[in-house]
Amino acid sequence: AQSVTQLGSHVSVSEGALVLLRCNYSSSVPPYLFWYVQYPNQGLQLLLKYTSAATLVKGINGFEAEFKKSETSFHLTKPSAHMSDAAEYFCAVSDRGSSGDKLTFGTGTRLAVRP
Amino acid sequence: EAGVAQSPRYKIIEKRQSVAFWCNPISGHATLYWYQQILGQGPKLLIQFQNNGVVDDSQLPKDRFSAERLKGVDSTLKIQPAKLEDSAVYLCASSLVNYAYNEQFFGPGTRLTVL
Repeated sequence: AQSVTQLGSHVSVSEGALVLLRCNYSSSVPPYLFWYVQYPNQGLQLLLKYTSAATLVKGINGFEAEFKKSETSFHLTKPSAHMSDAAEYFCAVSDRGSSGDKLTFGTGTRLAVRP
Repeated sequence: EAGVAQSPRYKIIEKRQSVAFWCNPISGHATLYWYQQILGQGPKLLIQFQNNGVVDDSQLPKDRFSAERLKGVDSTLKIQPAKLEDSAVYLCASSLVNYAYNEQFFGPGTRLTVL
């Protein structure tokens, strides 16, 4: 079964600083990888996804992620944090099994942005 | 385009009581998912429907949980009887088709507290 591991359950950065949220995956086949964001009391919203095209994926709100097969990583970055980026971020991998698009999520990283 | 609708948003019940959650997916979306998100964890898939048929219910505790999607549109998730460990946010999601790289759209969730 495929899985993802998110390193760091809490990350705190200053406004304007680089955001780096880490995700490593485990998969026996080329994976599809996703980053979702969850704001308080809301559902999850897709930030970006990797589907084996370009290894550098650009998403919404200035976020991007790079797929590195050699490191089995798919870290999420943003050059300059904004207060509105404070939320919980989930990395997920898609299981290309017979059930199609079953997503397996990591445990999440809560991002705090300091003024 | 209207998003995924869920109701109620919050529910508090005593253990051993029954509870039901409702989900209306985005119009035209064939695939519907129910996830359980326990505090501090990522969402875990409970059941996946393709139209009105079950694709995957391997992680659904069938002794107490049931779900249906009559007519392939809206869906109901029921817990009977509830246990303390069922306290969680129950998320409904939908996608247009059942492909591994397809985006899932999430509703705001129902927060269940079992006392």
